[in-house]
Amino acid sequence: GQQLNQSPQSMFIQEGEDVSMNCTSSSIFNTWLWYKQDPGEGPVLLIALYKAGELTSNGRLTAQFGITRKDSFLNISASIPSDVGIYFCAGQKVWYGGATNKLIFGTGTLLAVQP
Amino acid sequence: KAGVTQTPRYLIKTRGQQVTLSCSPISGHRSVSWYQQTPGQGLQFLFEYFSETQRNKGNFPGRFSGRQFSNSRSEMNVSTLELGDSALYLCASSLGRGVYYGYTFGSGTRLTVV
Repeated sequence: GQQLNQSPQSMFIQEGEDVSMNCTSSSIFNTWLWYKQDPGEGPVLLIALYKAGELTSNGRLTAQFGITRKDSFLNISASIPSDVGIYFCAGQKVWYGGATNKLIFGTGTLLAVQP
Repeated sequence: KAGVTQTPRYLIKTRGQQVTLSCSPISGHRSVSWYQQTPGQGLQFLFEYFSETQRNKGNFPGRFSGRQFSNSRSEMNVSTLELGDSALYLCASSLGRGVYYGYTFGSGTRLTVV
């Protein structure tokens, strides 16, 4: 199945450090979403991006929609232990047949934070 | 406000059997989408239902099917189970079609095929 290229695959950091991860695609997307998933639970939406070049923040999280519409970045500042989890990007392709809820997900970034 | 409810949470089935999973969306949400999550393939789109009609389908064999009822609740069915069908099955609900409406996931059903 199709997946977006997400990097890094995993990160092991100290509490208080900043984190950056990104997602790339060979296709154009018209929406980028970032999710966090805890073990045994469904993904929870962190940030949604709807326009190329858009920069959006949610607390310590900041995400950007790349101007080429083929990539997106997520930054987490001053990480804390509860940031531990798997982070996924997801994109919605340009759809000329009408609206759709189909998302294509990235491969995920496992984040571990040591207190 | 209740979230997306998926039942059962855990399920163990034998190869060749069939299984039905249920998803109750957030009240008022009319769109339900299903995803399969495995370590090897990650999160893969199965299908999307809106107003009791399948609107979009992922690249899965015909053994995977679904439906949506008039109250927006959805079920998915997998027939003739294979070991590779072991996965976390997630559903997500939305007010309408298009992610502008917001897209909330349930906690999933963990299916193990033995």
